[in-house]
Amino acid sequence: DGGITQSPKYLFRKEGQNVTLSCEQNLNHDAMYWYRQDPGQGLRLIYYSQIVNDFQKGDIAEGYSVSREKKESFPLTVTSAQKNPTAFYLCASRYYGGGNTEAFFGQGTRLTVV
Amino acid sequence: SQQGEEDPQALSIQEGENATMNCSYKTSINNLQWYRQNSGRGLVHLILIRSNEREKHSGRLRVTLDTSKKSSSLLITASRAADTASYFCATDWPAGGTSYGKLTFGQGTILTVHP
Repeated sequence: DGGITQSPKYLFRKEGQNVTLSCEQNLNHDAMYWYRQDPGQGLRLIYYSQIVNDFQKGDIAEGYSVSREKKESFPLTVTSAQKNPTAFYLCASRYYGGGNTEAFFGQGTRLTVV
Repeated sequence: SQQGEEDPQALSIQEGENATMNCSYKTSINNLQWYRQNSGRGLVHLILIRSNEREKHSGRLRVTLDTSKKSSSLLITASRAADTASYFCATDWPAGGTSYGKLTFGQGTILTVHP
């Protein structure tokens, strides 16, 4: 089945730790995105990438890092510099042949600082 | 900052009634998209309207776009309890700038449809 998979579903982080959230897609999509969602809030863009080995900062990139070494993978690292990382993280991908395409979302990773 | 802002933040209606949600944005767009999110899940795409289109239909959904007012609306007709969810608009930034390919979302409208 084609789709976009995020893992793990739940993640607990201790203060001062870096953690990496996984996002894999087998849809052959060019573009991939990471969003953060706080309770009762909308989605805020962290990073996005349109091609392998290239990515751009979104609106709230501080304290996060990404890599795009393969087309199908776009992992997000939440670093210790991110002071309030507890949130729901969503990954998305879409075909990008010039725009006007829909995004497909994973089921999310809920990160909690303990 | 987020590109899209939705109104109202919450909407409560009875089954069979229509639900209208509005979205306003700030800069030029390539297209505007609407998504639905059930609690604690990922988003699901509903409909996309291009910047040169004014109205689009899909089943019980009707979307309008007014680029002069930088606003869009989503109408769900004859709502059902199963339509209960959060609805988000997303703006797709146009070509020609450094933000090409950027897809930004609004705060969302929480819709509750009572049986």
